[in-house]
Amino acid sequence: GENVGLHLPTLSVQEGDNSIINCAYSNSASDYFIWYKQESGKGPQFIIDIRSNMDKRQGQRVTVLLNKTVKHLSLQIAATQPGDSAVYFCAEVPSGSARQLTFGSGTQLTVLP
Amino acid sequence: DGGITQSPKYLFRKEGQNVTLSCEQNLNHDAMYWYRQDPGQGLRLIYYSQIVNDFQKGDIAEGYSVSREKKESFPLTVTSAQKNPTAFYLCASGGTYSNQPQHFGDGTRLSIL
Repeated sequence: GENVGLHLPTLSVQEGDNSIINCAYSNSASDYFIWYKQESGKGPQFIIDIRSNMDKRQGQRVTVLLNKTVKHLSLQIAATQPGDSAVYFCAEVPSGSARQLTFGSGTQLTVLP
Repeated sequence: DGGITQSPKYLFRKEGQNVTLSCEQNLNHDAMYWYRQDPGQGLRLIYYSQIVNDFQKGDIAEGYSVSREKKESFPLTVTSAQKNPTAFYLCASGGTYSNQPQHFGDGTRLSIL
């Protein structure tokens, strides 16, 4: 049958505001998590990662929060800029795996002028 | 610059034809991966290789084949058995340690003529 594309969750924010993108992961055995940014027609670009022995990690303008109790990740982007407009994916890696990533479906972030 | 190079950027396949997508990396990574991305969706794993001359099927290997004769190269062949090949194909590489992210090329978009 025809492959019908799914509608991505979307988030629109004003330029200069903070953005929060959420992700629920599925495997309680996952011990490593990564956020990627994907611009149209390009491959995913690494943003930030976090291991399961941490609950927060900060980078330049980005912060990742991990809540293992409810299997939830979030990516916070401070002072969102037009160049931040993209699809954001979270990915999880189960412990002991051959480093296979399981990707979420992604969130489309649009920054409004 | 170190990175992952995928070619061609666009590829067209005729019915009954096999086509090969190229992926080269100069990051000295042991592991390499092929993913398929359909519109509005996340990435799905086709094949992966953790070491030269060895590779494993991912979640959607049917209709695809790979080889890993050199550490730097991991070509993907989309065979005529793959009945719905139209997609964006992404190659990634990453170290074999559990706290290293995969890095992606900029993809090959495959369409049917």
